[in-house]
Parts: sequence; structure tokens; C-alpha cells
Amino acid sequence: GDSVTQMEGPVTLSEEAFLTINCTYTATGYPSLFWYVQYPGEGLQLLLKATKADDKGSNKGFEATYRKETTSFHLEKGSVQVSDSAVYFCALTEPSMNYGGSQGNLIFGKGTKLSVKP
Amino acid sequence: DVKVTQSSRYLVKRTGEKVFLECVQDMDHENMFWYRQDPGLGLRLIYFSYDVKMKEKGDIPEGYSVSREKKERFSLILESASTNQTSMYLCASKELYTEAFFGQGTRLTVV
Repeated sequence: GDSVTQMEGPVTLSEEAFLTINCTYTATGYPSLFWYVQYPGEGLQLLLKATKADDKGSNKGFEATYRKETTSFHLEKGSVQVSDSAVYFCALTEPSMNYGGSQGNLIFGKGTKLSVKP
Repeated sequence: DVKVTQSSRYLVKRTGEKVFLECVQDMDHENMFWYRQDPGLGLRLIYFSYDVKMKEKGDIPEGYSVSREKKERFSLILESASTNQTSMYLCASKELYTEAFFGQGTRLTVV
């Protein structure tokens, strides 16, 4: 079945450092890809998305490019801030026909906790 | 602003109690989901629903049931709460091939 693998955390960086969180996926069709962020004690919020190969999603200085050839969707930010400390989840939704009743379900990676120190 | 609202942020229940977690969305979405989130295990899908009165088991449905009597509301029921159901519970809603919108989460403690 479809799956998402993202780098294990925790990741600790100093303010203004460069961030990369790796995410790779397996899917039978052509999924849409997402990055979600979860701040402490909160639910998940959509950070960015990409719906087809070579699309780049971006938001709040974060970027990720949908790479079909490497089945990857790595999250990057050029200069992190303390306020970026959170858990980041990579996810996909499979746009194929209904299979096993899972109509467009989201499949998540396990999450990567990021801590940014001043 | 789109909204998914879970009825409680924090809940403490006793072992053996029947527990209801409520979720309401105002976006007229067809699909609604319940996840639980535990350290080191990420998000695990409990149940989902793609229409009123329709439900499908997710990866970990044991010990849970759901109800969807109206399109906007999706309830998670713990028939007899146990300590291993202490967790963060997250509700989400979405259209078929788009992103999901999440509620703020309910942290349930079973004592």
C-alpha cells in the first residue's frame, strides 16, 4: 500500500540555520503531497502542498518540490526561527479510484520534531 | 475561515466509562476522519466516513465506534474506556482529493 517515510527526529538547530526534512513516498498512482505543521498542544495545520510532479509548494519561507523521479518531497527553509519549533508531518493523498474504501485518505509520515534554539 | 471544532480540549475519564468525542465541521465536506496520535507512532487512523451514515474502519478500530447522523458531525465513541486509550485524538475533514482540515485535538486521559 501507499506509504510515507520521513526522517526521524528530533532535529535541533540554531536560529537562522538552514533546514531540510526529508520525505519520500510510495504510491500506486499520482498522489498529491502535503506538509503539515503541529505547534505544541494544537491540531495540524496545512503548511504547503503540491498536486503534480515538479510543482513547488511554498508558505512562510518553507518550500518543497514534488520530485516524481525520486519520489520525494523534502521540506526546506533557508533561515529558521524559534517560532518554527514544531512537529512537521509529510503526507499524501492518493487520487486513484476507490480502493479498499479509502477514498482520498491522507497517509502520514511519523512526524519530525524541530527545535530551534536562540 | 474554515473550521473543524472538537467538543473538548482536555478530558479525564474513568476506566470502563463510555466516552463520546464530538467533531463538527462547517465546510460541507463529505469525508471526515478520526486519528489518534501517540509519541513515536505518529497519526493512526481509527475510523473515517465518506457520507452520512457511512463508516469505514481505519488501521486501529478496536475498542472504538463512530456515528455520523449528519454531514457536519462525526462522533467517536469509546464503548468502555481503558487506560491504553489515553491519547491525543484528532478529527479532520476534507473533500476527496484535497488537503484535510484538522480540529484542535482532544487530549483524553483514562484513569
